[in-house]
Amino acid sequence: DQQVKQNSPSLSVQEGRISILNCDYTNSMFDYFLWYKKYPAEGPTFLISISSIKDKNEDGRFTVFLNKSAKHLSLHIVPSQPGDSAVYFCAAILGGYQKVTFGTGTKLQVIP
Amino acid sequence: NAGVTQTPKFQVLKTGQSMTLQCAQDMNHEYMSWYRQDPGMGLRLIHYSVGAGITDQGEVPNGYNVSRSTTEDFPLRLLSAAPSQTSVYFCATQGSTLGGPTERLFFGSGTQLSVL
Repeated sequence: DQQVKQNSPSLSVQEGRISILNCDYTNSMFDYFLWYKKYPAEGPTFLISISSIKDKNEDGRFTVFLNKSAKHLSLHIVPSQPGDSAVYFCAAILGGYQKVTFGTGTKLQVIP
Repeated sequence: NAGVTQTPKFQVLKTGQSMTLQCAQDMNHEYMSWYRQDPGMGLRLIHYSVGAGITDQGEVPNGYNVSRSTTEDFPLRLLSAAPSQTSVYFCATQGSTLGGPTERLFFGSGTQLSVL
């Protein structure tokens, strides 16, 4: 049972435009949601997180929105840059922060 | 600081062979974990540790053993490798507060394992 789902395996966006990556989850008890970015042959790196008690968190060009009623979160990147081309994983944490559930990832390509 | 170091980066095994994937961290983090990444599956938790001497199973523990004798090291052992264990393996650490681990994971660069 996939508790965290990223339904779009890939996304292409023009440089300077907005990139929107989506993530759905099934467990309403998740405490925290995170986004990780992964380049080929490297480990994932933390990008941004949001607590379940908030609906928005912003860090520079990256904003994460949480819609608890829809069990949906999204990552907005504005403006998109070629260096943003990577695989983005959505992740959720349920209590204790030790067990992290990841989505399947979305490969973002930003076209110059 | 090196952060989280994994060795080797690449490994090819034959079915039935054993090996140990090494993970070392210099971040003084109590919490460490192992994930595997497979196409279309995301990252799945294999085993984790909340401190030296304490380990527990994650989502996909079968075929893997772990131990944690020091804060710095968290090796993952494959006792009898199977083709289904072909994957990319990531070690991760988490910092801690008084209430437990923090939410952010720090990953190593991964070990790509092929079992023939």
